Amino acid sequence: AQTVTQSQPEMSVQEAETVTLSCTYDTSENNYYLFWYKQPPSRQMILVIRQEAYKQQNATENRFSVNFQKAAKSFSLKISDSQLGDTAMYFCAFMGYSGGGADGLTFGKGTHLIIQP
Amino acid sequence: GAGVSQSPSNKVTEKGKDVELRCDPISGHTALYWYRQSLGQGLEFLIYFQGNSAPDKSGLPSDRFSAERTGGSVSTLTIQRTQQEDSAVYLCASSKDNRGYEQYFGPGTRLTVT
Repeated sequence: AQTVTQSQPEMSVQEAETVTLSCTYDTSENNYYLFWYKQPPSRQMILVIRQEAYKQQNATENRFSVNFQKAAKSFSLKISDSQLGDTAMYFCAFMGYSGGGADGLTFGKGTHLIIQP
Repeated sequence: GAGVSQSPSNKVTEKGKDVELRCDPISGHTALYWYRQSLGQGLEFLIYFQGNSAPDKSGLPSDRFSAERTGGSVSTLTIQRTQQEDSAVYLCASSKDNRGYEQYFGPGTRLTVT
């Protein structure tokens, strides 16, 4: 079984600053996907960024980028030029290839990110 | 296009009653997932459907929980004889294919058992 750990329950930064959210995971699989999801107060889970483990290049989506360290089993999210709308819960998640999608996502406990004006 | 929809948005029920939660996935999405989000347990995966078939139901918390999907579309999660520990937000997600690497979530149903 895999586990996902987010060690920062809450973080607060000023608008326009850069913030990094940490995530580590444990798995015996060699091929898998990693995700960051955002959940604002509306409860809607929104996919922020996805990384496939076989890809060495770190994924980037506009202001969001990841630092994927496969050997260390680390997958951090960097948000540049943070905006008030980035305030939300952020969840790191894992899905292995071997289940073919049937195993669902394994989530961390989440980090509550607060962007201060 | 329309996203994943869930109904009801909120449900308050008395302990011991049965409840049905509904999920309408994005049209054409073959895979459907149910998750539970609670303060104590965080986000837990409950069950996966590929088409109308759920190959593994072991993620359901107890035998009071059941789920079905009909016509490869709408899914219902049924909780019988609800208990207070069933109080949680129940999230549904759908994916275009069975790999589930791009899951689109609905807004969830908040269930409160009194």
